[in-house]
Amino acid sequence: DTAVSQTPKYLVTQMGNDKSIKCEQNLGHDTMYWYKQDSKKFLKIMFSYNNKELIINETVPNRFSPKSPDKAHLNLHINSLELGDSAVYFCASSQVGTDGVGELFFGEGSRLTVL
Amino acid sequence: GEDVEQSLFLSVREGDSSVINCTYTDSSSTYLYWYKQEPGAGLQLLTYIFSNMDMKQDQRLTVLLNKKDKHLSLRIADTQTGDSAIYFCAPNTGGFKTIFGAGTRLFVKA
Repeated sequence: DTAVSQTPKYLVTQMGNDKSIKCEQNLGHDTMYWYKQDSKKFLKIMFSYNNKELIINETVPNRFSPKSPDKAHLNLHINSLELGDSAVYFCASSQVGTDGVGELFFGEGSRLTVL
Repeated sequence: GEDVEQSLFLSVREGDSSVINCTYTDSSSTYLYWYKQEPGAGLQLLTYIFSNMDMKQDQRLTVLLNKKDKHLSLRIADTQTGDSAIYFCAPNTGGFKTIFGAGTRLFVKA
């Protein structure tokens, strides 16, 4: 029944490794996002896809590559992991209604720790 | 660029009212949301206000918007221990970009 699900929930890895986080939503939404939350809880948008098309690409190192195989899935691949990549990564989805309101539905987060 | 600022911490006693304040920089923000994050969980929408409104009441929640000063506040009446969480003010310009800051950690003392 989970609306937005991310895997894995926890990821511990060494510097220099490559890792992926997967996200799936069963809400039928057209738009999906990746947000990064740092240790001070600051939440920053990274990417957004609308119907598999990249529409938001914030200033993120190109070691981060999102991929959307279909509108229900948005994965995040990170190459050459660095210590500063340690954070909680949240996937979210939304569907803007006729009233213009586009509530974000968040997954539970994936905590990445780079050693 | 867009920015959102909130006080990092707020501590209240159970039964008191809590007021969480927020200032934002993007004057084109059309919708202004409040999200709640409980420990170890994702964010959930609490309430929102449209930019042409000054106030919105939703049960124990009251949202006030001063568009001229780009100031938003969330008042929680009769605060309960279950309200302890991080609260995020999140303006949206009407497109796909919702901006968050670091949130306000609300501690409710029994």
